[in-house]
Amino acid sequence: DAGVIQSPRHEVTEMGQEVTLRCKPISGHDYLFWYRQTMMRGLELLIYFNNNVPIDDSGMPEDRFSAKMPNASFSTLKIQPSEPRDSAVYFCASSPTGLNEKLFFGSGTQLSVL
Amino acid sequence: AQSVTQLGSHVSVSEGALVLLRCNYSSSVPPYLFWYVQYPNQGLQLLLKYTTGATLVKGINGFEAEFKKSETSFHLTKPSAHMSDAAEYFCAVSEPGNTPLVFGKGTRLSVIA
Repeated sequence: DAGVIQSPRHEVTEMGQEVTLRCKPISGHDYLFWYRQTMMRGLELLIYFNNNVPIDDSGMPEDRFSAKMPNASFSTLKIQPSEPRDSAVYFCASSPTGLNEKLFFGSGTQLSVL
Repeated sequence: AQSVTQLGSHVSVSEGALVLLRCNYSSSVPPYLFWYVQYPNQGLQLLLKYTTGATLVKGINGFEAEFKKSETSFHLTKPSAHMSDAAEYFCAVSEPGNTPLVFGKGTRLSVIA
């Protein structure tokens, strides 16, 4: 199995632009998570899905952030419009059976908003 | 709500020396506890986890951690550091009943030759 696949690895954009981050979870995993990592705040859970349904989006910082999971093999995290304070590493992770089981992380997307 | 405090954002040890990374947690119920490792430009990988039972948990790459309820701690140790252990280490806590993991801010381990 190729593991959790995220794209792009790096994204540089200008303030005000729309940014879309993509994730392909491991096949057969029922849970998908989006995390954001910054020096100041560490690793924060933004949103998670169970069987493609968003369960808890309380970590999404603002309405500028949205996430979708149209099918079991694909999810997107969108920021519109982007701001410099959104600069961070965004991780996608999946888990086969539960929230506190082993999480499998992708390699992350390094986002820089200028 | 549960939380995790990792003491020391950066720890430096000599190759062959003991590695000790500290983690204290706060939880209203007996917690599940985890250590993850992040190598440069990679995602996090599970090192070990504690759910119930034996309080000394052994993980991959020679690491182990001990759950101490009285001290609300879950410190990570390795008897002899190797250069390849240089990475960022994250402690995490969750509560039984399918709650999401809450991560600490991480400790960067440097290993000096």
